[in-house]
Parts: sequence; structure tokens; C-alpha cells
Amino acid sequence: AQRVTQPEKLLSVFKGAPVELKCNYSYSGSPELFWYVQYSRQRLQLLLRHISRESIKGFTADLNKGETSFHLKKPFAQEEDSAMYYCALGGGATNKLIFGTGTLLAVQP
Amino acid sequence: DVKVTQSSRYLVKRTGEKVFLECVQDMDHENMFWYRQDPGLGLRLIYFSYDVKMKEKGDIPEGYSVSREKKERFSLILESASTNQTSMYLCASARGGKQFFGPGTRLTVL
Repeated sequence: AQRVTQPEKLLSVFKGAPVELKCNYSYSGSPELFWYVQYSRQRLQLLLRHISRESIKGFTADLNKGETSFHLKKPFAQEEDSAMYYCALGGGATNKLIFGTGTLLAVQP
Repeated sequence: DVKVTQSSRYLVKRTGEKVFLECVQDMDHENMFWYRQDPGLGLRLIYFSYDVKMKEKGDIPEGYSVSREKKERFSLILESASTNQTSMYLCASARGGKQFFGPGTRLTVL
């Protein structure tokens, strides 16, 4: 069965500390992985996708097929990074996504 | 930029009422989706549509129906609202693997 697991509901770090939001998936085919972010009072938006291999707002994520993981990382957290982060699994012509349960990142001053 | 709009930001209805949630996108996307977003449960897919008049059930379709008469508009219908349908409802449209979300409708059923 296709599934996305985000084990942490809440991750609290201090400003300037490294951040790693965990995401594991199960998928039998060739997965396409995404990270979406929702800042307070804003709509859910795409942060990054694995095929782009880009860094957005200092965040990176590497697809590890051996460990079936797609963890989101940032070396130095900023207060404006505080938000809800969702990992999502896609693939297919319908553009359907399976979302994880989300991790709330709280960056303390 | 893709624009996805939803008819209401907040809605309060009574148990048993029929509720319509409207979503409109302006980018000619074929695929559109309705989710509900609940704390601790993430986003759960209710229904999606891959073309006009075409729809498929998602993971939690019970108590909901949808309508897609025009490409730009995707409606979610609660036939008889119940208190357990109190939630945040998100609409999205998609192309090229990416989904674009509306601002959400927070529905409260009393």
C-alpha cells in the first residue's frame, strides 16, 4: 500500500539550529516526492519536489530509495520557517498525491 | 500564477442541511481535488476529478458528493451535514505533478 509517514507531530528548535523533518514512504513504483508548507493564515503551497533537486528558502531534501526516505533539512533555522510541513507522494497521470500527517515546526527565538 | 479560489472562508451550518462548497481555478487544469484537513490526520482526499463530468472517489468519500460541470469549477456537496464533517476543506488543481491549493473553507456543523 502507498503510504507516507511523518513520525513527528511537533518539532521545536531554536533559531540557528539545524532542522530535519522526517518523511518515509512506501511505494511500489517510481516515486515522486514533494514537500508542501503552510504558514500561519496562508494557503498550502509547494516548497520543493525531488526531481527539481533545488534548494528553496535554504531547505533541501534528498530522495533515498534504499531507506525510502525524503527528509527535509535546513542547516540554520529561522523564525519565519515556523509552519506546518507536509510530505507528499505522487506519480501518475492524475497528479494525485498522498499526504503525510504533517509536522509542525516551531522555531524559538 | 495559478489562482484557486473557494467560495467561502468560513461557513456555519446546521445538522441535516445540504452544503455546497465551490472551487474555481483559472489555469485550465484538468485535475481538481477536494481534501479535508484535520489536526493529526493531515490531508485526506475526498474526491477528485480528472476531466469535466469525470470523478473518482478518494479515501473518505462517505457523506460527500461532487459536481464538475465546467472545467474551471469543482463543487463539493454535503448531502446532509453532520457534526463529524466539521473541518477545514481544501480544494486544489494540478498539472505537471504539482498541486495548487485554494485558501480553504472552515466549515462548522452545529
